[in-house]
Amino acid sequence: EVQLVESGGGLVQPGRSLRLSCTASGFTFGDYAMSWFRQAPGKGLEWVIFIRSKAYGETTEYAASVKGRFTISRDDSKSIAYLQMNSLKTEDTAVYYCTRVPEHGWYFDLWGRGTLVTVSS
Amino acid sequence: ETVMTQSPATLSVSPGERATLSCRASQSVSSNLAWYQQKPGQAPRLVIYGASTRATGIPARFSGSGSGTEFTLTISSLQSEDFAVYYCQQYNNWPPWTFGQGTKVEIK
Repeated sequence: EVQLVESGGGLVQPGRSLRLSCTASGFTFGDYAMSWFRQAPGKGLEWVIFIRSKAYGETTEYAASVKGRFTISRDDSKSIAYLQMNSLKTEDTAVYYCTRVPEHGWYFDLWGRGTLVTVSS
Repeated sequence: ETVMTQSPATLSVSPGERATLSCRASQSVSSNLAWYQQKPGQAPRLVIYGASTRATGIPARFSGSGSGTEFTLTISSLQSEDFAVYYCQQYNNWPPWTFGQGTKVEIK
């Protein structure tokens, strides 16, 4: 089955760190760019971060709201994308979704079910 | 940043009727426009990309049109499973990728 499964969410205090994982299956992970989105409770969708495939240098892009605090990486041998979140703020509270991005497509054709991150003291 | 604006915010439609959702971009996005469906408690699902191409598994009652700054998603005959929030998203001018605020299609 073609799917993405996020893990690693939970409750964390402001200023602390958390790492999310996105495990892919059913397709050739290394052929795709990957991205993360988030959705705060009752709100719309916000793009967070993006990484291209190895063939395109694994270049990254960051939303202004997370630049300098969040990083994205990938391990193609394990079919996992990671979202490292540092210096977390209460406004980072959201469901985080991992998505697949066709190279040269730039839309998001496969989404995981999401993992909830709650930043609170 | 390209701002996406959807209308209406809420659309009340009876099952079997036609639904027409609009999306406007603050600058041209060519045909690089996608639509996503999100049901409560679920992840978004790609419905349309390239402004008019249905994603895998999407029924033919869904159609998209438009280019430049004006786009439309039409659901020709609403089924019970179609009641959801729909987001448009541009992928022409990135980063950032930007979404509209969503249109909720509810049962009339």
